[in-house]
Amino acid sequence: EVQLVESGGGLIQPGGSLRLSCAASGVTVSPNYITWVRQAPGKGLEWVSFTSGGDKSFYAESVKGRFTISRDTSKSTLYLQMNSLRAEDTAVYYCATVSSNAFYTWGQGTMVTVSS
Amino acid sequence: QSALTQPASVSGSPGQSIIISCAGTSADVGNYNLVSWYQHHPGEAPKLMIYEDTNRPSGVSHRFSGSRSGNTASLTISGLQAEDEANYHCCSYAGSSTWVFGGGTKLTVL
Repeated sequence: EVQLVESGGGLIQPGGSLRLSCAASGVTVSPNYITWVRQAPGKGLEWVSFTSGGDKSFYAESVKGRFTISRDTSKSTLYLQMNSLRAEDTAVYYCATVSSNAFYTWGQGTMVTVSS
Repeated sequence: QSALTQPASVSGSPGQSIIISCAGTSADVGNYNLVSWYQHHPGEAPKLMIYEDTNRPSGVSHRFSGSRSGNTASLTISGLQAEDEANYHCCSYAGSSTWVFGGGTKLTVL
């Protein structure tokens, strides 16, 4: 059974950059379909981005042009590069596997705080 | 993409049934049979409870059921138990490999 572990969160100043990682374990082949979801303090979940493998990635309007997904298959790890960070990007970021257009296996999340 | 609309909170006593609604539009909930529901205990990873409007993943209790009518989906929890107390989030596929969530509903078991 696949397990996902996010890392890379922390405190960053507005305008800064951060790269989150989502490492998969427990499977011989890394899942191709992965999504990022975030939850700002006191708010609901918000879909952020999705990749179906290869060069196909999709983003919410709120992060389009600032966030980019990449993958290192040799490390079974997916990355979310976050640039031009804003206070409203402050949230716990989760990665999750995608199947049947639903989010099956989730990581525990990593906290990103954008503040001066 | 506007968020789906859920009640902020619902409550029920042990053994009772509750329903959480999730209102969307003809562009998301009403256009696809692809609403999913997630149970989220604070500090833990969210857990998939329902997918494709009505399907339960393996291991999810039969007390949880999903339905959809037009642009509104619903999650029913029957035989409420203390451990059901959590936040519940609905999510709909919105086309072009994008998704939209609801604002979340806090379930309190009295």
